[in-house]
Amino acid sequence: GNSVTQMEGPVTLSEEAFLTINCTYTATGYPSLFWYVQYPGEGLQLLLKATKADDKGSNKGFEATYRKETTSFHLEKGSVQVSDSAVYFCALRDTGRRALTFGSGTRLQVQP
Amino acid sequence: NAGVTQTPKFRVLKTGQSMTLLCAQDMNHEYMYWYRQDPGMGLRLIHYSVGEGTTAKGEVPDGYNVSRLKKQNFLLGLESAAPSQTSVYFCASSLDTGENQPQHFGDGTRLSIL
Repeated sequence: GNSVTQMEGPVTLSEEAFLTINCTYTATGYPSLFWYVQYPGEGLQLLLKATKADDKGSNKGFEATYRKETTSFHLEKGSVQVSDSAVYFCALRDTGRRALTFGSGTRLQVQP
Repeated sequence: NAGVTQTPKFRVLKTGQSMTLLCAQDMNHEYMYWYRQDPGMGLRLIHYSVGEGTTAKGEVPDGYNVSRLKKQNFLLGLESAAPSQTSVYFCASSLDTGENQPQHFGDGTRLSIL
């Protein structure tokens, strides 16, 4: 079956530090990959996506590259802000499947 | 912009009670989903619907029922609540399952079963 594995949190960083949140996946087909962000008390919001190997998704300074050879989709940001504090979910949607498979989420705490 | 609206936001139930969670979307989306979010487990799909009048089971459907009588609404029912159903429930919708169609999520319903 499909699965998504994320690094455990919380990840605590100082403002302007470099961020990496690891995500690896297993899938039976050729999945699309997503990063969602959940701010406190809110639902999930799509942050970025990539639909095929070597694609790079980017948004709000965040980036992730679809690496088929390592089955990974790591999230990076060069300089985090306090406002980036949230829970980040990696997810996939496999070929022909309707729903998303989520990782367990990684909480990011950015300190001023 | 309302998007996806969930009602209620919080609820406490006793074991054995029943209740219905309501999800409404105003984006004319065909697909709707119900997930539950538990600590350390991410989101898991309970049921979903691919259009008005249709429903299908997801990953963890036991103990829940759903209905999609109107395109804009997707109801999740608990007939006899159990403590294991204590969770945060999220509704989502999407136009279709095409690769460029993301799921839009509501703000969640926090449900506690005593």
